[in-house]
Amino acid sequence: ILNVEQSPQSLHVQEGDSTNFTCSFPSSNFYALHWYRWETAKSPEALFVMTLNGDEKKKGRISATLNTKEGYSYLYIKGSQPEDSATYLCALEGTNQFYFGTGTSLTVIP
Amino acid sequence: DTEVTQTPKHLVMGMTNKKSLKCEQHMGHRAMYWYKQKAKKPPELMFVYSYEKLSINESVPSRFSPECPNSSLLNLHLHALQPEDSALYLCASSQTGLAGSYNEQFFGPGTRLTVL
Repeated sequence: ILNVEQSPQSLHVQEGDSTNFTCSFPSSNFYALHWYRWETAKSPEALFVMTLNGDEKKKGRISATLNTKEGYSYLYIKGSQPEDSATYLCALEGTNQFYFGTGTSLTVIP
Repeated sequence: DTEVTQTPKHLVMGMTNKKSLKCEQHMGHRAMYWYKQKAKKPPELMFVYSYEKLSINESVPSRFSPECPNSSLLNLHLHALQPEDSALYLCASSQTGLAGSYNEQFFGPGTRLTVL
């Protein structure tokens, strides 16, 4: 079992602020790290899949980095908007298993 | 169609009832997953079907019985559940589910189950 931790648990930011949160894990023995965005009453939506140390992915104002040597991934949101309010989950994909963190709940205040 | 659908959205059942949760996808994916999520906890993998065969059963009690009638459908049959089984049950699919490379999962919105 891999213990995936996410911090902070929750975050409130003002519209226009940039923010970031962390996914940390104890081992580099996995196939991929996944980031998901989960809005209330909707399906978790895949944001990024990262497989290599040093990977950087970007989608609009959201980007992510992966450091497998030190055991963390960062998710950055530039110029937060109210529609970014959601829970952001990370998951490690191992052999026939996915290990999820508990998520970071982001609220963007207009 | 990149959607995974789940029915029902909400389900309330007694401990002696038998009910089923349904999941459907039409993306041609050959792997489907059931997860259970309790409040403030991470989703926990219960079952994986790959090419319509059960490949993973994470020591789930027998009161949960999965079924994969074809590559587009996944059911979870429930019988004699306990109140502690109340949770959000999420279904997901991915292209193959095979180990050795990553599997991007597409999730449904979940079924909120309450056991009285």
